[in-house]
Amino acid sequence: QVQLVESGGGLVKPGGSLRLSCAASGFTFSDYYMTWIRQAPGKGLEWVSYISSTGSAIHYADSVKGRFTISRANAKNSLYLQMNSLKAEDTAVYYCARRGGISRIDYWGQGTLVTVSS
Amino acid sequence: QSALTQPASVSGSPGQSITISCTGTSSDVGGYNYVSWYQQHPGKAPQLMIYDVNNRPSGVSNRFSASKSGNTASLTISGLQAEDEADYYCSSYASSDTYVFGTGTKVTVL
Repeated sequence: QVQLVESGGGLVKPGGSLRLSCAASGFTFSDYYMTWIRQAPGKGLEWVSYISSTGSAIHYADSVKGRFTISRANAKNSLYLQMNSLKAEDTAVYYCARRGGISRIDYWGQGTLVTVSS
Repeated sequence: QSALTQPASVSGSPGQSITISCTGTSSDVGGYNYVSWYQQHPGKAPQLMIYDVNNRPSGVSNRFSASKSGNTASLTISGLQAEDEADYYCSSYASSDTYVFGTGTKVTVL
């Protein structure tokens, strides 16, 4: 069965950096676009970034452009999100998710909490 | 990349039908047939309920249906059940190869 397991969340000071990882299993990782989506405490979902199956196409939300970098290692079935210059408003649960089709985010991890606070 | 507009809350009695609206613009909902809907129970990850405007993934009850007209998409839950009580989010593919989510709707079963 498809499994997505995020790790790397935690407490970081404003201006700091953090790298999230997502370990995928149960499907051919290299066949799928992958995406990161976040949810601030008590708030709605916000799309963050996606990456194509080969990594050749990458897109970001305006709110993170220039600060976050998405990447993947198909040989390791892993997705990453490097987050730099973190702000308090980046505090959220970050979900790794598989994009099964253009509008089909069909599998989600359980999320990892990132807290940006001094 | 402004969030799509959803009602904050919708409620209904067991067995009734409810409809949740999702209003965007011609740059997202109105411009593409790539609207999806997600159900999220407290403390859980979202679950895909509808994709490509009106398609249900396998395993999702046929009590869930959806449509789109112009810049507004809608999700209908018929035969409302206690287990349907959750937050619901719409999402749309948007211009510049981005995505936008709705503001979210809390569904309460009375």
